[in-house]
Amino acid sequence: DIQMTQSPSSVSASVGDRVTITCRASQEISSWFAWYQQKPGKAPRLLIQTTSSLLSGVPSRFSGSGSGTEFTLTISSLQPEDVATYYCQQANSFPWTFGQGTKVEIK
Amino acid sequence: QVQLVQSGAEVRKPGASVKVSCTTSGYIFTRYTISWVRQAPGQGLEWMGWISSFNGNTEYIRKLQDRITLTTDPSTNTAYMELRSLRSDDTAVYYCARGDEGSFDFWGQGSLVTVSS
Repeated sequence: DIQMTQSPSSVSASVGDRVTITCRASQEISSWFAWYQQKPGKAPRLLIQTTSSLLSGVPSRFSGSGSGTEFTLTISSLQPEDVATYYCQQANSFPWTFGQGTKVEIK
Repeated sequence: QVQLVQSGAEVRKPGASVKVSCTTSGYIFTRYTISWVRQAPGQGLEWMGWISSFNGNTEYIRKLQDRITLTTDPSTNTAYMELRSLRSDDTAVYYCARGDEGSFDFWGQGSLVTVSS
């Protein structure tokens, strides 16, 4: 199984700061890679699919990049409504797997 | 608009079974897969398995494959997840999600399954 390891596990930043979350795969994966945002008590929301494609309606301050075994989610200017837990997910091979999550808070 | 609406919360005793439904609307059911993802209290997301709404093909994670069955009913645009021989560590919120490009673009609201004696 492909293990997905996110770092950091939590981050506290000020409004307007740039936040970067990294996801490392235990083996090389294709572009079948996605990022989700989950707020407490809610279902996850897909932000980015196929590594870097922003879903319709997702603010442009979110972006995704990467290849091989290392992928990143960047929030260019953190906003209060971005407080949430973020998960990466690979669909390169079964079983599809998620990272353990990164909690983003406002300082 | 695309919607996935799940059945309500369930309480079961250890050893029992549970079947959660996911009724979809707003898209052509057979053109997309359905995955099931669970989240134990305070924990992360765990992908459980996948079903093709077109031909019924399935994939399950190894640790559940003896206890889980995913099915669909295209006549009602509904997907089902049945989990048997429930244990306390199966207590979780269970989500269905529509599959697109290897990711999950629309999600149900979640169904809490509590396993307790």
